[in-house]
Order: sequence, then C-alpha cells, then structure tokens
Amino acid sequence: SQTIHQWPATLVQPVGSPLSLECTVEGTSNPNLYWYRQAAGRGLQLLFYSVGIGQISSEVPQNLSASRPQDRQFILSSKKLLLSDSGFYLCAWSVSLGQYGYTFGSGTRLTVV
Amino acid sequence: DQQVKQNSPSLSVQEGRISILNCDYTNSMFDYFLWYKKYPAEGPTFLISISSIKDKNEDGRFTVFLNKSAKHLSLHIVPSQPGDSAVYFCAAIQGAQKLVFGQGTRLTINP
Repeated sequence: SQTIHQWPATLVQPVGSPLSLECTVEGTSNPNLYWYRQAAGRGLQLLFYSVGIGQISSEVPQNLSASRPQDRQFILSSKKLLLSDSGFYLCAWSVSLGQYGYTFGSGTRLTVV
Repeated sequence: DQQVKQNSPSLSVQEGRISILNCDYTNSMFDYFLWYKKYPAEGPTFLISISSIKDKNEDGRFTVFLNKSAKHLSLHIVPSQPGDSAVYFCAAIQGAQKLVFGQGTRLTINP
C-alpha cells in the first residue's frame, strides 16, 4: 500500500535561517507531488507541484523553492525564512487525479520567530 | 482569483441534527468536486467526491449535492456526531493535475 512520510512534525526557526522540509512517498512510482501551506485562519494554498523528477511548477512567487531529486522525494526549501513563512505545510501525492484527489501527509507546523 | 469559495468560516450544529456545508465555484470546467476533512495538526483526509456529470453522491451519513446551474455544491452530514467536528474543505479538480481548495469551514458538533 502507498504511504507518505513528512517530517519534521513541528519546527521553530529564527528569521533569516534556512529551511528544508522533506516528503517521501512509498508504494507507488512516478507520483505527482505537491506542497501546500495553510496559514493561520486561511485555506490551503498550493505552493509547488511536480509531475516528474526535476520538474517543478511554482504557483505563488515567494521566499520558497522546491526540488525533486528522486522520483518519490519532494523537498521544500528556503535560504532565509521570513516571519510570514510561518504556517502548516502539507505534502501530498496522487497518481491519477480523479475522484479520490490527493493523499496528504501529516504536515509540518513551522513557526518562524 | 478565488475559484472555489466557502463563505461560512464556521458552523455549529447540535448532535444528531443535519449539518450542511456549502461551497460555490466559478469555473464551469471543473471535472470533479471533493470534500476533505481536517483535524488540527493533521493532514486533510478525503471524505467524498462527485463528478460534474452527476447531481448527487451518497456515502453513509455523507451526501454531496451539485447544482451546476448555480455553480454550488453542498455536503450534508446526517446525523451529525461529535467526531464530525473538524474543518471541512471543498475542492475542485483543475486541469487533471491539481486541486483548488476553498478556505474551509470549521464545523462544531455540540452535545
């Protein structure tokens, strides 16, 4: 069966520090991978998605970047965090986006201080 | 440009009664509409979906209705239970590659 792993669960980082969040999927090949953010009191905002290794689509210009070095690995990064980067970050995957949508990871709560 | 909107940020319902969550959309080209449920500090989980060619889909206590002429869908939960207290997100499939989400509605079921 397919599983998605996302870590860490919580993270407190100072302003200006770098960020690296990792997501891996098991049990499937060539998944579509996604990074979403839920800011406090807001909905789910798509940040990046990838349909294959090295293929990244950016939805919102911002202080973040994404990379997909392996088929089932998706990384969200920042060189210098801003206070506004605080939020709940979610990784998700799908193979064929249909009636069941995505499967989400458990999320990372990032607090920038 | 908010293509999927949930205009009610919160809803409070008594246990055993019906909960109705609403969602509006602007893009008539969406193929599927989905509802996700999210508990605090967890990822959203898929609840139920409906194809754009149907007007109703039912799964146990959950029913989703789609009104294409009004570009409106709703999720009915009957009867509501305390474990249903969560944030519910409406979503639509765009371009076969990504989901567009609404802002979410926080449902609270009162005993």
